[in-house]
This record gives sequence, C-alpha cells and structure tokens, in this order.
Amino acid sequence: AQTVTQSQPEMSVQEAETVTLSCTYDTSESDYYLFWYKQPPSRQMILVIRQEAYKQQNATENRFSVNFQKAAKSFSLKISDSQLGDAAMYFCAYRIVPFTGGGNKLTFGTGTQLKVEL
Amino acid sequence: DVKVTQSSRYLVKRTGEKVFLECVQDMDHENMFWYRQDPGLGLRLIYFSYDVKMKEKGDIPEGYSVSREKKERFSLILESASTNQTSMYLCASSRRHPGVYFGPGTRLTVT
Repeated sequence: AQTVTQSQPEMSVQEAETVTLSCTYDTSESDYYLFWYKQPPSRQMILVIRQEAYKQQNATENRFSVNFQKAAKSFSLKISDSQLGDAAMYFCAYRIVPFTGGGNKLTFGTGTQLKVEL
Repeated sequence: DVKVTQSSRYLVKRTGEKVFLECVQDMDHENMFWYRQDPGLGLRLIYFSYDVKMKEKGDIPEGYSVSREKKERFSLILESASTNQTSMYLCASSRRHPGVYFGPGTRLTVT
C-alpha cells in the first residue's frame, strides 16, 4: 500500500524568509504524481504544485518549488519570500498513473501547519 | 473554473439519524471522491467512484455508503450516525488526468 509521511506537524517562518516542508512516500509503482495542497483556515483545499515522477526536473510555481528525490522517495516543498497569506495547512499527496479505475485515489499525508510571523 | 459544491457547510445531527451529504461537480468529471479530515490524521479516503454506479471502498468505509446515480452527483450516506463520525467531510472530483478539485467541505457534528 502507498503511504505518505509528513513528519513536521508544525513549522514557523518569518515573513520574507524561506521555509522547507518535508514529505516522504512509499510506493512500488514507477509512474505516479506527487502534489502539495494548501488549505487556508476555514477555506477550500487548493493545489499548490505537482510533480510527475518520470520528470527529473523539479517543478516550480512562482515562489513555490519542490525538491524531488525519486530514489530516496522524498518530495519537499520550498516556499521562498514567505508571505502572511502562505499561513495554512499543507498536505503532501500521491496518485498513481493511470487515473482510471480502481487505483485512482489520491493518498494524503497528515499535514504540516505553517505559521508565518512578522 | 471547475466547481465542486457540497450541500451544507455545517451540519448538526443526532446519534442514530440517517445523514446524507451531497456533492455536485459541473465539469463532467469521471472520478469523484469522499474524504474525511481529522486533526493529526490528515485526509482519509472513505469511498470513491470512477464512473456512474461504480464505487470502490477507500481506507475507512465502515459506517458509510455512497451513491452515484448521475455523473455529476456523488452522495455520502451515514446510515446511523455516531459521535465518532463527527468530522470534516471533503468531496473531490477529477477527470482522467492529475488534477483533483475539492469542494469547500461539510463540518458534521453528531451529538
């Protein structure tokens, strides 16, 4: 069974600084996607960034980037120039390819609560 | 924009009641999911559906059932609500591609 582990229940960062959230996963599949989702307080879950396992290049979306280490099964999220609006619960998630049939689910970690301080 | 809606943001029910949580998506997505979110446990999959009338158990299906009679609608049913089913329930949907879109969630309290 696939598992996703986030070992940091809480993290803090000063505004404008950089923070890295950790995620490891366990799978025997070779083709899959990894995601970081953000859930602001009392608000909807939104996708921050995703990474295809077959791509060696790390994904980047503005201030958000990932460090994907396939052999180590590690997928960390780096947030640069942190802003107050980045404060949220962040979830790492995994999904196998293809996205059809019974193996279609998104598996989540337990989340990391990020606090941004002035 | 993809829109996933859930019938209620907040719901209070009594122990033993039958509870229906409704989810509707407007983008013709094949896949729909019901997750439960609890502090320290993350999101756990209850059931999912990859086509009309097709359903598969997730990691914690006990005490729940689902119905998908139309492609756009996926219902979660608590046959006899119990206090340990007090939680946040999230619906999600996707096509046959990576992106999964979430609804706003229903916070259910069972007293």
